[in-house]
Amino acid sequence: GAVVSQHPSWVICKSGTSVKIECRSLDFQATTMFWYRQFPKQSLMLMATSNEGSKATYEQGVEKDKFLINHASLTLSTLTVTSAHPEDSSFYICSARGRGQNTEAFFGQGTRLTVV
Amino acid sequence: GNSVTQMEGPVTLSEEAFLTINCTYTATGYPSLFWYVQYPGEGLQLLLKATKADDKGSNKGFEATYRKETTSFHLEKGSVQVSDSAVYFCALSEPILMNRDDKIIFGKGTRLHILP
Repeated sequence: GAVVSQHPSWVICKSGTSVKIECRSLDFQATTMFWYRQFPKQSLMLMATSNEGSKATYEQGVEKDKFLINHASLTLSTLTVTSAHPEDSSFYICSARGRGQNTEAFFGQGTRLTVV
Repeated sequence: GNSVTQMEGPVTLSEEAFLTINCTYTATGYPSLFWYVQYPGEGLQLLLKATKADDKGSNKGFEATYRKETTSFHLEKGSVQVSDSAVYFCALSEPILMNRDDKIIFGKGTRLHILP
């Protein structure tokens, strides 16, 4: 299947700093990208959906000023956690899909963020 | 809104046992349904999918049938192996025609342990 690369795999940052996570589709054009947060006990929460060249659509309860999403090209989306706090520590997963309705979504490997 | 409910785990079975993981959904239209699997330390990968009622998705011995009348997509396997130990996510995707944001909504996941 198609490959989605997420970087970094893990990151530790100090409280108050910002962290950027990249999500790249390596062999297809990702018209839509999704960002998820995976909580303990494995539940996946959709944070936002982004379409290339337009603003991201955030799910209810997700702070758009804290979780900045940029989908500047058909192969790259970034999630920036601004002014990170320990409660932002989590596993963040991106997903990408190409054109067409109900097409398969491919997932990145995830990023483990620890804020100390 | 759309949602997915799946049985809570963990589920522990002996090798060669029959597996069923229940999944039901709520959707306003005609979603596609998916099962994703997350092996330890890895990202999510698509296991199987079905795009319309009565379709059966199958892969690696796993099967799931799209039942519109019961809004269900239960995952089954006749004889599980130790290597099937993972977290399984049921998901749906329903296109939102006005803005292209066809989201993938996940259930909370079910952890499966297979004992040798």
